[in-house]
Amino acid sequence: AQKVTQAQTEISVVEKEDVTLDCVYETRDTTYYLFWYKQPPSGELVFLIRRNSFDEQNEISGRYSWNFQKSTSSFNFTITASQVVDSAVYFCALIPLNYGGATNKLIFGTGTLLAVQP
Amino acid sequence: GAVVSQHPSWVICKSGTSVKIECRSLDFQATTMFWYRQFPKQSLMLMATSNEGSKATYEQGVEKDKFLINHASLTLSTLTVTSAHPEDSSFYICSAHEAYTGELFFGEGSRLTVL
Repeated sequence: AQKVTQAQTEISVVEKEDVTLDCVYETRDTTYYLFWYKQPPSGELVFLIRRNSFDEQNEISGRYSWNFQKSTSSFNFTITASQVVDSAVYFCALIPLNYGGATNKLIFGTGTLLAVQP
Repeated sequence: GAVVSQHPSWVICKSGTSVKIECRSLDFQATTMFWYRQFPKQSLMLMATSNEGSKATYEQGVEKDKFLINHASLTLSTLTVTSAHPEDSSFYICSAHEAYTGELFFGEGSRLTVL
């Protein structure tokens, strides 16, 4: 099966708290891409990160960091010192790369609504 | 950076009418575009893959006669919701696959409300 699970439907934190959004994926492909997108109330999707299956290095970008663990099929996203502007729905997504070529079909998780209270 | 533009960003129409949504890649060529649908508080579900110069590939359960997709050029794909009904009210988002870099870019989305 090809699937992305975001078990946390909603998370509410107070500003300046750290928060981790969980993402667990399933794929039969050995080569794949993982993504995180932010969707603010206005609706557009904001690209945050893409990681390929061969790169397990963790990534940090400002207050954002990502922990990719192939052993547990997880790609978790942490926001440090959260801010009200971080309030949005966050989607984890997967592109399995079929043998012989990429389909580029994004498989989205159900999303996690993050509410950061002032 | 690369930009994908959708038009209109929102539309309200009467039941039974047809609505066309455009997805344009503004500064790159996109051989493949994807159309997604998102109901309120739900995830994005892929509807179809639009290939330039050929027929679109629809996901299981998506009516191809209901959702007409045309990808006539390397920079434009259109989604036409035919004989729209209230249950078609949704947020429709396109994404474009940039041919040379393989990057994916999303449009801003189009919110359709059918009365």
